[in-house]
Amino acid sequence: VVTQSPGTLSLSPGERATLSCRASQSVGDNFLNWYQQKRGQAPRLLIYGAYKRATGVPDRFSGSGSGSAFTLTIDRLEPEDFAVYYCQQFSRSSLFSFGPGTKLEVK
Amino acid sequence: EVQLVQSEVEVKKPGESLKISCQASGYTFSTFWIGWVRQMPGKGPEWMGVIYPGDSQTRYSPSFQGQVTISADKSTNTAYLQWSSLKASDSAIYYCARRYTGSSWDYFDFWGQGTLVTVSS
Repeated sequence: VVTQSPGTLSLSPGERATLSCRASQSVGDNFLNWYQQKRGQAPRLLIYGAYKRATGVPDRFSGSGSGSAFTLTIDRLEPEDFAVYYCQQFSRSSLFSFGPGTKLEVK
Repeated sequence: EVQLVQSEVEVKKPGESLKISCQASGYTFSTFWIGWVRQMPGKGPEWMGVIYPGDSQTRYSPSFQGQVTISADKSTNTAYLQWSSLKASDSAIYYCARRYTGSSWDYFDFWGQGTLVTVSS
């Protein structure tokens, strides 16, 4: 089971966003990914392996954490960053589990 | 350029069967797993299952095992998700996505545009 907090985060452009993801068990080898989803679009891979940025992802996005607690940080929020963010855990036994998401909205 | 193109909107009645598709291009289809993901209105994604087109090996989420069938056709670079008897609760957007696996990572790197399935009498 993967949980995310907060459910909704209200911030202004230029601010820093900190999103949390917690797994019920330790995530081996940091098999933890982050996706961004904008309204009407498919999810987009942002971070894989807990901290590696996917191709084309701006460096204001960063991932950190290990074990069962992970964080996605977005520095200097841009207007296009307001979206829903999902973390996703991978384990060899149960494969993929997505979190419920954090909605990042304009304050 | 990697692309996954899905079939468009489907409107069906309860009890009907359905098979939706995901055609891949821009990479060697048989050497990457393809996954299917359900997203119900206002909810997060749910992983349904994956298939390796090279040998049609499949793995299903326990939540979807026996409810759907995933298949692939290497000759047309197409993956499929099918239902034999739809329920209203199957109404959702369904995404296919390419799975990238490595020693220390496993993720979905490219996604289709989604297929909206509506089941209503």
